[in-house]
Amino acid sequence: NAGVTQTPKFQVLKTGQSMTLQCAQDMNHNSMYWYRQDPGMGLRLIYYSASEGTTDKGEVPNGYNVSRLNKREFSLRLESAAPSQTSVYFCASSLAGGPDTQYFGPGTRLTVL
Amino acid sequence: DAKTTQPTSMDCAEGRAANLPCNHSTISGNEYVYWYRQIHSQGPQYIIHGLKNNETNEMASLIITEDRKSSTLILPHATLRDTAVYYCIVRPMNSGYSTLTFGKGTMLLVSP
Repeated sequence: NAGVTQTPKFQVLKTGQSMTLQCAQDMNHNSMYWYRQDPGMGLRLIYYSASEGTTDKGEVPNGYNVSRLNKREFSLRLESAAPSQTSVYFCASSLAGGPDTQYFGPGTRLTVL
Repeated sequence: DAKTTQPTSMDCAEGRAANLPCNHSTISGNEYVYWYRQIHSQGPQYIIHGLKNNETNEMASLIITEDRKSSTLILPHATLRDTAVYYCIVRPMNSGYSTLTFGKGTMLLVSP
């Protein structure tokens, strides 16, 4: 039981390049989330998916798109990376409904030059 | 969601109990208190949550005051591996989906 996995662990991009961050969970959770964490700041929600087939914007969605590929997988895409998107990205999942607990992946450290 | 206030940092000696306070004076009756922690360079980790009663699990104990305006997370025998940022979060129950709003948390440093 791997929990929440993320790939890649590290990535360096040039401004304007695109990439997709992958996230998968094996806990049969319904809800999945993407957060970013910048130095000295707490986590900020980018997008979430309450259930398979639905996605909604979080606090900082600009510059990102997401795809809930199936119940297990939730990807985050940067179409044209900018230096302001340099951050650590965390994926999380939860069973959903009521006071559910979110479980986090190990993170992807992205640098945009 | 209710706002929380936590000290910026705390120190604790290894083997001693670490008591991390959190103020949530505007908490409403349908909001839970959650605690997460984040060890350096890792993803956040769930610790414990509660509504009214005190809670205990294998990681920690959560003490919530009777008026629910504050709580304390207790790590009974802190180890060096407990050095982390600890986040206190309040969230409503029965939400169709759940998002977590992380503040700045308390940096706990456990020393030998």
